[in-house]
Amino acid sequence: SAVISQKPSRDICQRGTSLTIQCQVDSQVTMMFWYRQQPGQSLTLIATANQGSEATYESGFVIDKFPISRPNLTFSTLTVSNMSPEDSSIYLCSVDPQTYGYTFGSGTRLTVV
Amino acid sequence: AQTVTQSQPEMSVQEAETVTLSCTYDTSESNYYLFWYKQPPSRQMILVIRQEAYKQQNATENRFSVNFQKAAKSFSLKISDSQLGDTAMYFCAFTRLLGGTSYGKLTFGQGTILTVHP
Repeated sequence: SAVISQKPSRDICQRGTSLTIQCQVDSQVTMMFWYRQQPGQSLTLIATANQGSEATYESGFVIDKFPISRPNLTFSTLTVSNMSPEDSSIYLCSVDPQTYGYTFGSGTRLTVV
Repeated sequence: AQTVTQSQPEMSVQEAETVTLSCTYDTSESNYYLFWYKQPPSRQMILVIRQEAYKQQNATENRFSVNFQKAAKSFSLKISDSQLGDTAMYFCAFTRLLGGTSYGKLTFGQGTILTVHP
C-alpha cells in the first residue's frame, strides 16, 4: 500500500493566520482525501482532491477557508485560512485504496491560540 | 447518504480476554466495503480489517474477526486474546464502490475507546 508523508506533524498558530499542510505519496494515486478530526471526535471529510480538477468540498466546508491544491498524482496541500481557535483539530490526508484499504498520513495537530 | 453508528463510546477488557465492538450502518448501496480502523494515541490511523459486502464469509486477520450481518446492516469487531497494545480508539467506516476499482470517500462512525487492562 501507499506510504504518505504528511507535514508538519504539529503546529501552534496565531488566530488570523494561515497554515498549509502537505501530503506526499510514494506512488501515483487518483484520489486524495482531507479529513478533520476535532478533539475527541470522529473524522469528518473536508474535501476530495483529484489531480487536474477542482476539489470537491463537503457540506459545511468552503474553498475560501480550506483551499486545496493537487498539482500532480503524488502531492496535495490543504491550507487552513484565517484561523480561529475553533480550527484547532487534527488534519489527516488519505488516499484511495491501492490493494487493501485506505492509507492515511500521520496527521497534523493544529492548535490555534 | 450513508450513516455509520457506533453505540459504545467506551469499552474495557482485561488482558487476554475477548471483546466485541458494535457497528451498524445504513445504506441503499449494493456494492460497498466496511472497515475497522484503530487510532492509538499517536493518532496514526491503522487499518485493522475490511469486509467486502458481496462476500458472505466473515473476514479474519489474526486475533481480529468480524461478524458481518448484511441484512441487519451490522458489522461488529471481535478482538480475541486482547493485548495492552490494543488500547486505542476504534472506528468503523463505510465506503461505496463507484465502479471498477474506484472507491468513494470513507464515512466514519463516532468511534469506541477501548482500554485493555493488565
